[in-house]
Amino acid sequence: KAGVTQTPRYLIKTRGQQVTLSCSPISGHRSVSWYQQTPGQGLQFLFEYFSETQRNKGNFPGRFSGRQFSNSRSEMNVSTLELGDSALYLCASSLRSGAPGGNYGYTFGSGTRLTVV
Amino acid sequence: DAKTTQPTSMDCAEGRAANLPCNHSTISGNEYVYWYRQIHSQGPQYIIHGLKNNETNEMASLIITEDRKSSTLILPHATLRDTAVYYCIVRLETSGSRLTFGEGTQLTVNP
Repeated sequence: KAGVTQTPRYLIKTRGQQVTLSCSPISGHRSVSWYQQTPGQGLQFLFEYFSETQRNKGNFPGRFSGRQFSNSRSEMNVSTLELGDSALYLCASSLRSGAPGGNYGYTFGSGTRLTVV
Repeated sequence: DAKTTQPTSMDCAEGRAANLPCNHSTISGNEYVYWYRQIHSQGPQYIIHGLKNNETNEMASLIITEDRKSSTLILPHATLRDTAVYYCIVRLETSGSRLTFGEGTQLTVNP
């Protein structure tokens, strides 16, 4: 089966711009979570969407937002980019919300590497 | 989520068993132990999880001590492709969607 697809794979943006990243989950998966990974902070949870509703949110400023469509595809948007937003952005899909193991274990994509200059 | 402590790095010879420890002395009765790994330039990958009993699947075995204060992930025959950062996460099964990743253990499998 097809895995989790994230596009684009790489992105370079300028400070102050905004960016939209896309995540297509595994077919049938309704939960999509987003994570930011940086060398200094490691993997940090951004938010989760399930059936087009935000279920959970991490400690990130309001510049970080997301949404989920009826086909479960999800997008995350970062406005007014800062240099510190340079990171690998990962999304994970799951059959069910909030169950990270077994058949419901999260499947991660390969990420979008965002560089802000 | 209970705090976990893992060694920063470990080495293993190809073909040998890799035993990755995790300490979680503050684990509560209903918290599970989950293991994920992240191969360079990829997203994390779920490996295995357990509550009390030892667990085995096609990827690995999980040994949890009787007092549940520590556990060991065992890769029985490590290959070069098992080189990755391994994360031990302790949490309730139903505590929402957030996974809290620590720093993990960098396992290097050497030929």
